[in-house]
Amino acid sequence: DAKTTQPNSMESNEEEPVHLPCNHSTISGTDYIHWYRQLPSQGPEYVIHGLTSNVNNRMASLAIAEDRKSSTLILHRATLRDAAVYYCILRDVGTSGTYKYIFGTGTRLKVLA
Amino acid sequence: GAGVSQSPSNKVTEKGKDVELRCDPISGHTALYWYRQRLGQGLEFLIYFQGNSAPDKSGLPSDRFSAERTGESVSTLTIQRTQQEDSAVYLCASSLIKGGNQPQHFGDGTRLSIL
Repeated sequence: DAKTTQPNSMESNEEEPVHLPCNHSTISGTDYIHWYRQLPSQGPEYVIHGLTSNVNNRMASLAIAEDRKSSTLILHRATLRDAAVYYCILRDVGTSGTYKYIFGTGTRLKVLA
Repeated sequence: GAGVSQSPSNKVTEKGKDVELRCDPISGHTALYWYRQRLGQGLEFLIYFQGNSAPDKSGLPSDRFSAERTGESVSTLTIQRTQQEDSAVYLCASSLIKGGNQPQHFGDGTRLSIL
């Protein structure tokens, strides 16, 4: 089962910031928080990941709550190309030490022109 | 450079037939994953390969599903005696090394339709 909870959908206006929330109340001390996004008819694309501190890269920023039970992906200026399903994922250690990603249904972001 | 390549991009077959799906990972990536994505759903883990270690098959839904990988190269996912419930997009991903913090690079998937 997915260990994260996200809203099913969100809307944003073009060129405005977008804050995509994720709850992960059962996160363990060693779990990293990963975000991927999936554009229509494509495979998922890595966006960002973090452990405790806030993270920034060219695509987005990741704000992690102090208790690590929630996080927020921030797109600073949404564009039409950012319309996608955004997945917040915790790494899950499976059999033989496999690092598996348990994908939920994600948040479908709609960007309005 | 070249990303993860999957073939065919689309496959339509009759119920009861066997199908074979192919994944070419990024060169040098030791870890390879297969996922299934049903319409409107998230990704469902199927199987994981890491170098020459025994694969993690814990996500395979039935014994009709199997996968192989030779070394750190191409992988094939085989579904025998296909059922309509097998209709989905099958996604392959590879990553540089085993580890939760190496990004997974995904192909665009094979869309499988069982008539």
